[in-house]
Amino acid sequence: KNEVEQSPQNLTAQEGEFITINCSYSVGISALHWLQQHPGGGIVSLFMLSSGKKKHGRLIATINIQEKHSSLHITASHPRDSAVYICAVEDSSARQLTFGSGTQLTVLP
Amino acid sequence: KAGVTQTPRYLIKTRGQQVTLSCSPISGHRSVSWYQQTPGQGLQFLFEYFSETQRNKGNFPGRFSGRQFSNSRSEMNVSTLELGDSALYLCASSSGQATYEQYFGPGTRLTVT
Repeated sequence: KNEVEQSPQNLTAQEGEFITINCSYSVGISALHWLQQHPGGGIVSLFMLSSGKKKHGRLIATINIQEKHSSLHITASHPRDSAVYICAVEDSSARQLTFGSGTQLTVLP
Repeated sequence: KAGVTQTPRYLIKTRGQQVTLSCSPISGHRSVSWYQQTPGQGLQFLFEYFSETQRNKGNFPGRFSGRQFSNSRSEMNVSTLELGDSALYLCASSSGQATYEQYFGPGTRLTVT
């Protein structure tokens, strides 16, 4: 069983829709990261959180440490949000990231 | 501040050869981490260097090695290349202090033939 599970693997939405991507993990963590990867490979760090909720523009990330679960929400989605979204956990005993397999999001105009 | 840079961006090598990839972190950042991304395995942690010392290592064979210089620039080396080493190699820098927020470079696309 993978330490980090993301769902869904693929998601297609219409512009303007509210989007949720989920991440579950099985190990103790010190933080959880949400990353965005565009075609061509470049990765951008969206959020790093260890508790509660963070918001940046139309993006919201939440984490429930007791449930070992995090969600990334995109409000009023736009075609430029099309990318792969990757959840990664930072092991509480070592400074290294373990990654989920990613969610391919396509937002249609 | 300039972002993380990686050179070269693309590389084609033959099985059995060795390769060296370079990563220059954001100015002031002392931690550099390396990752391998393949379609089959996704993103995997290779190693992290902080102040010229390897601080963490992932589960990769000894053919994968790295180092960090006094100016925080880092190199990774893969010896005796195998077809399965074809991947996107990403480095990321962070301040290395309390936060582990990662700033990623554009990656080096390595193809082994």
